[in-house]
Amino acid sequence: RKEVEQDPGPFNVPEGATVAFNCTYSNSASQSFFWYRQDCRKEPKLLMSVYSSGNEDGRFTAQLNRASQYISLLIRDSKLSDSATYLCAVNPPGGSYIPTFGRGTSLIVHP
Amino acid sequence: ETGVTQSPTHLIKTRGQQVTLRCSSQSGHNTVSWYQQALGQGPQFIFQYYREEENGRGNFPPRFSGLQFPNYSSELNVNALELDDSALYLCASSLAMGATGELFFGEGSRLTVL
Repeated sequence: RKEVEQDPGPFNVPEGATVAFNCTYSNSASQSFFWYRQDCRKEPKLLMSVYSSGNEDGRFTAQLNRASQYISLLIRDSKLSDSATYLCAVNPPGGSYIPTFGRGTSLIVHP
Repeated sequence: ETGVTQSPTHLIKTRGQQVTLRCSSQSGHNTVSWYQQALGQGPQFIFQYYREEENGRGNFPPRFSGLQFPNYSSELNVNALELDDSALYLCASSLAMGATGELFFGEGSRLTVL
């Protein structure tokens, strides 16, 4: 089993739709979790951190489920500009701050 | 922008050659991590430097080497290039000791090996 797994998609959704991605991780002792956004041929940029019970920022909500070892990202009222690849990243235990990334989930929002 | 700069942005090499990629970290950040991202894949951890010392290494052969300078900038060197080394090489800076683990990426160096 890979350390961090994501469905690569693509997820094709119309504007205004709500879409959710999941990311599973194998190490139950993982410390912290992140969602990064990566536009085509660009660098990843931090979208949200996910701590304890989750995080919300406008249309974006991230949740952590430690029992089932996954994090999720919910995007409400999708915009064309949300089209990108969403990478999840998981920090291992021990405070090394060397996150492992999933392969990313591609989102395409169409008119 | 993150304040992390990488050079060169694009380069083409042939098999067997050597390449050096450079990274200037964000002001105040003392930790630099290097990742390799192949097309359609997530970033794969190569190694991390903290205060000029290697602080962790991923599953990459010894021909991938690096260093960090006193000003916290960093270099990634790859010897004996192979076709599979073609990828986007990302440098990320962060602040260790009390940080949250967030990484700030540069725009990357896109390497093509022919």
